[in-house]
Amino acid sequence: AQSVTQPDIHITVSEGASLELRCNYSYGATPYLFWYVQSPGQGLQLLLKYFSGDTLVQGIKGFEAEFKRSQSSFNLRKPSVHWSDAAEYFCAVGAGGNKLTFGGGTRVLVKP
Amino acid sequence: DARVTQTPRHKVTEMGQEVTMRCQPILGHNTVFWYRQTMMQGLELLAYFRNRAPLDDSGMPKDRFSAEMPDATLATLKIQPSEPRDSAVYFCASGSGTGSLRDTEAFFGQGTRLTVV
Repeated sequence: AQSVTQPDIHITVSEGASLELRCNYSYGATPYLFWYVQSPGQGLQLLLKYFSGDTLVQGIKGFEAEFKRSQSSFNLRKPSVHWSDAAEYFCAVGAGGNKLTFGGGTRVLVKP
Repeated sequence: DARVTQTPRHKVTEMGQEVTMRCQPILGHNTVFWYRQTMMQGLELLAYFRNRAPLDDSGMPKDRFSAEMPDATLATLKIQPSEPRDSAVYFCASGSGTGSLRDTEAFFGQGTRLTVV
């Protein structure tokens, strides 16, 4: 069975600083990987996804993620965070037919 | 702008009452999911449907929860009787799953925040 671990429950970053969120997965086949963002009181919005090909994936809002098969990781990055990036971020691995398994989430706080 | 619509957005009910949550998937999507989000458990998949047929409801407590799709434009999640431990945010998501591994993007609604007192 697939699983996703996000080791950091909370991260605090200063506005303008870089951000990296960690994600490790366990999946028996080729993984299909996703990052979602959840703003307070809102549903989940897809930031980016990886299926195959280039291991560096660009997403919306200036985010990117890098797939590293050797490390079973799919870390999310942003070079310079904005106050509006304060939210909770979820990494997920996709099984067949849209079924997703989510990590526990990382809550990001942005300091002025 | 296509989106998944969930109603109600908030629900407060007394223990023992029946609760029904509704979801309108994106038009044309044939896969519908119900997730529950709590602080303790995070996001848990309760059930999912393809072409209105339940494919997996192993995450759902069978004694009190039921999920149905009366038609392609409506999915319901019912709890009867409700208990305080059911307090959570319930998300519906839809996707255009064809069974291919590439069709794995799910679009989420804004959720129903349920409080059982």
